[in-house]
Amino acid sequence: GDSVTQMEGPVTLSEEAFLTINCTYTATGYPSLFWYVQYPGEGLQLLLKATKADDKGSNKGFEATYRKETTSFHLEKGSVQVSDSAVYFCALSDLTSGGSYIPTFGRGTSLIVHP
Amino acid sequence: NAGVTQTPKFQVLKTGQSMTLQCAQDMNHNSMYWYRQDPGMGLRLIYYSASEGTTDKGEVPNGYNVSRLNKREFSLRLESAAPSQTSVYFCASSGTGNQPQHFGDGTRLSIL
Repeated sequence: GDSVTQMEGPVTLSEEAFLTINCTYTATGYPSLFWYVQYPGEGLQLLLKATKADDKGSNKGFEATYRKETTSFHLEKGSVQVSDSAVYFCALSDLTSGGSYIPTFGRGTSLIVHP
Repeated sequence: NAGVTQTPKFQVLKTGQSMTLQCAQDMNHNSMYWYRQDPGMGLRLIYYSASEGTTDKGEVPNGYNVSRLNKREFSLRLESAAPSQTSVYFCASSGTGNQPQHFGDGTRLSIL
């Protein structure tokens, strides 16, 4: 079945540091890929997405490129802020044999940014 | 924009009690989902509904039932609560095809 593996956290950075959170996936079909962010006490929110190979999703300074050859979708940001402290989830959505799109999530990576 | 609304936000139950978690969305989405989130486990799918009138089991359905009351509403019922069901429960919805999900703010459920 489909699966998503992302780096374990917590990732601890100083403000203005460069961020990379690794995400790799396995899928039988041609999935869409997503990054979601969860702030304390809230639900997940879509951060960015990519629907086909070589697409780059971007939002709020975050970027991720759909790499089919390496089955990866790593999240990057050039300069993190304290307000970026949150849990980040990598996910894919693929068509099941039953004809439904069921998302598969990674376990989440906690990011802590210090001033 | 309300998006996905979950009620209640917090609940404490005793073992063996029953309760229903409510979820409603106002985005005219076909698909709705229930997840539980536990520390170190990420999100696990309990049940989903691909369209009004259909429901299917996810990864961890035991001990739960669901009802897709109409296109807007998708409820999750615990018939006889157990301490292992202490968790944060999230409802989500999505549009047709490979669309991203929209999540509610969660229900924090403790079972003593």
